[in-house]
Amino acid sequence: DAGVIQSPRHEVTEMGQEVTLRCKPISGHDYLFWYRQTMMRGLELLIYFNNNVPIDDSGMPEDRFSAKMPNASFSTLKIQPSEPRDSAVYFCASSPDRGVSNIQYFGAGTRLSVL
Amino acid sequence: SQQGEEDPQALSIQEGENATMNCSYKTSINNLQWYRQNSGRGLVHLILIRSNEREKHSGRLRVTLDTSKKSSSLLITASRAADTASYFCATGAGGSYIPTFGRGTSLIVHP
Repeated sequence: DAGVIQSPRHEVTEMGQEVTLRCKPISGHDYLFWYRQTMMRGLELLIYFNNNVPIDDSGMPEDRFSAKMPNASFSTLKIQPSEPRDSAVYFCASSPDRGVSNIQYFGAGTRLSVL
Repeated sequence: SQQGEEDPQALSIQEGENATMNCSYKTSINNLQWYRQNSGRGLVHLILIRSNEREKHSGRLRVTLDTSKKSSSLLITASRAADTASYFCATGAGGSYIPTFGRGTSLIVHP
């Protein structure tokens, strides 16, 4: 398996523009997570899905952020409109449902710069 | 919050030395994981230790867990320059077992 695939790797956009980040989880994994990483706040869980259903979106910073998982092999994180404070590295991770533990497999991340 | 806190925040050592990082947490856990993040990359799972285990080994890695002190340590023996990375602990608790990540320890190994 190729692992978790994120695109694009880098995104530079101007304030006010819509940004869409994409993620393909590992086949067969039941959980999908979106994280944001910054120097100031560390790694923050934004939202996670179980079997394509959003379970907890309490980490989504505000209504400008939305996430979807239309099927088991694809998820998007959208920011509309984007702001400079959204600049960060966004990670997608997937995890099999193994009951006792959920080891997470991370993508390489998307580095977002909002000018 | 279940969030683990790593200590120290930064560690700088010479190749060949051992590196020890610690993680403390506040409430009971089911398991604790350690991850590594190389610069510009995603996190990679290293090892998981369950609450009923006290020590686990994987290659040059040794993880201990002391549930009475609510702490864990990660020891990297005979470090290499390639071990330079940030190391995160992640605690799992409750029915969801969704891990919660700490802020990480930045390790620099000088060749």
